[in-house]
Formats: sequence, C-alpha cells, structure tokens
Amino acid sequence: QKEVEQDPGPLSVPEGAIVSLNCTYSNSAFQYFMWYRQYSRKGPELLMYTYSSGNKEDGRFTAQVDKSSKYISLFIRDSQPSDSATYLCAMRDAGGTSYGKLTFGQGTILTVHP
Amino acid sequence: GAGVSQSPSNKVTEKGKDVELRCDPISGHTALYWYRQRLGQGLEFLIYFQGNSAPDKSGLPSDRFSAERTGESVSTLTIQRTQQEDSAVYLCARSPQFKAGELFFGEGSRLTVL
Repeated sequence: QKEVEQDPGPLSVPEGAIVSLNCTYSNSAFQYFMWYRQYSRKGPELLMYTYSSGNKEDGRFTAQVDKSSKYISLFIRDSQPSDSATYLCAMRDAGGTSYGKLTFGQGTILTVHP
Repeated sequence: GAGVSQSPSNKVTEKGKDVELRCDPISGHTALYWYRQRLGQGLEFLIYFQGNSAPDKSGLPSDRFSAERTGESVSTLTIQRTQQEDSAVYLCARSPQFKAGELFFGEGSRLTVL
C-alpha cells in the first residue's frame, strides 16, 4: 500500500463547476499538507499549504485537512478552463531538517471544458 | 521556471549509456532537491543538498545514480548504465530554508532510454 493514495482521474467538469480533489494517507506522522498544480510539461507549483488539521481558503481554492480520518481535500469553486492541470497532493512529517522531502500522491488530471 | 534552470530539457539515450542532468538555481536558497516523475505517477524524492551538510541520498534508487553540488549553486545528477526504467522527468527544486514543503521546481529534464 502506498503511503499516499490519490485518485488519478481523469476528471472532466464544465466551466463553473465545483471540483473536489482528495487524498488519503497512512502515515499518522504527517503534519504538513500541500497541493501542487502542474501544467503539461511544466514543473509543479505550490498552490496551497496547510499545517495540521483545519481549513484554509485562498480565492477560489479551499484546502481541508482531517487528520483523524487521514484525509485531505482541495476544493475549486467556479472552475475555469485555466484550472485544467494535474493536481498533486504532498505531505511531510515534522521531523528532521529536510524541509522539502515530501511524499506525493500520483496526481489527478483535471480538465475544465468551456 | 521559478528560479531553477534545468538542462537538457529533453534527452534521448540508448540503454547502457551514461547521462548527466544539470540544475542551476538562483542564489540565496541553500536547499536543493532532485525528484523523479515517471509517466502518470507522482514525484519520488531522490536526493537533498543543504549547505555544507552531507547530502540526504536516501531516495536514490540504485548505485547507478549519483549527484553532486558545487557549493550553493549548480548540481548535477548522473545516471550510469541507463536502463529503460530510468525513463522519466527529473525535476530539480529549490527551497527557502525553514519553510517545510515549499518547493520551487524547474521545468524538468525529460529522459527517454531506448
């Protein structure tokens, strides 16, 4: 079993829809949770960053972390064609000094069609 | 992209040949990471450099893989005797110190082993 599981999709939605992307994990030591967005043939870019449980909102994006269920989500409101990309969840524990040593999900391919 | 320049952007090689991939981050970020992304997969951590500390090589998949970094600048990832399963995008990232999970990725080097 992988430490981080993410439904690869692909997911296709109409413009304006609410999108829900999810990851589950097995390592209870994970404390930092991130969502990266990756456009085709580009490097991933950090979209959302949360520490421990709770919600965080940034514009049309909301990240949720439920540590009791080992489940994280990313919601995209009023989705746009420019949101079409691969979304990767990532996480790490609180130990050590390798701050960027992350465990990634396999990514969900999202297409928003006009 | 994101202050990380990688070369070559594409490399096609024959099985058994050695390849060298280069990463050149902007100055000021002492932490540097290499990740591998196979087709349809998430990112796998390979190696981490932080200042003058010994690198964290725990993600290197075999002794055919090695990496070096000159001070706080250029890094090279070398794969000896390449195999077809080495085909992937190799991503380099820089990280602000003490900011867990925040990585700035280059656009990657796409390696194809025939």
